[in-house]
Amino acid sequence: DAGVTQSPTHLIKTRGQQVTLRCSPKSGHDTVSWYQQALGQGPQFIFQYYEEEERQRGNFPDRFSGHQFPNYSSELNVNALLLGDSALYLCASRPQSLVSEKLFFGSGTQLSVL
Amino acid sequence: QKEVEQDPGPLSVPEGAIVSLNCTYSNSAFQYFMWYRQYSRKGPELLMYTYSSGNKEDGRFTAQVDKSSKYISLFIRDSQPSDSATYLCAMTGGADGLTFGKGTHLIIQP
Repeated sequence: DAGVTQSPTHLIKTRGQQVTLRCSPKSGHDTVSWYQQALGQGPQFIFQYYEEEERQRGNFPDRFSGHQFPNYSSELNVNALLLGDSALYLCASRPQSLVSEKLFFGSGTQLSVL
Repeated sequence: QKEVEQDPGPLSVPEGAIVSLNCTYSNSAFQYFMWYRQYSRKGPELLMYTYSSGNKEDGRFTAQVDKSSKYISLFIRDSQPSDSATYLCAMTGGADGLTFGKGTHLIIQP
């Protein structure tokens, strides 16, 4: 049973560029969340997708957007990259039907903005 | 004041010792409490999950939640070098994303 898979593993971009990160949730999971983890910090919630719609959003600007596909996979898009966007981007999934907040995380995409 | 406070360490203990990790929080709406283990730049791995107050034990790990004091703890018995990692506390009221602490860097000395 594959867990949460993310691609790519590492990415280098320059300021002002746009980036798309991808996530496939754990089998049986239909809810996907994205988190940003800066070096030495805990993950910060960006947003959550369920039934192809953004359901909750953390304190992130509109430059951060997402999408969920019918097969439950998801994309995170970041426009007009800033140096401060350099971080590990984590995708997490869970089944919406369970009354539980247990999230399972992928290994992340390490984004470096130069 | 941050919503969740966690001492970043590092915390260094000898192999076999009992490890105590903790977090304090300020948001009374938090109902679900979790501990994650994270190895160097990998994704967090769920260790313990507790709803509301009380204790929960799983093998060498015990999680405690005291909602009256807004204080949660993770105890690791018979610590092993493989337990060396960053331990993150996380919590939520249920309707939004998880709020994490900074993480405590734990080192178990052989």
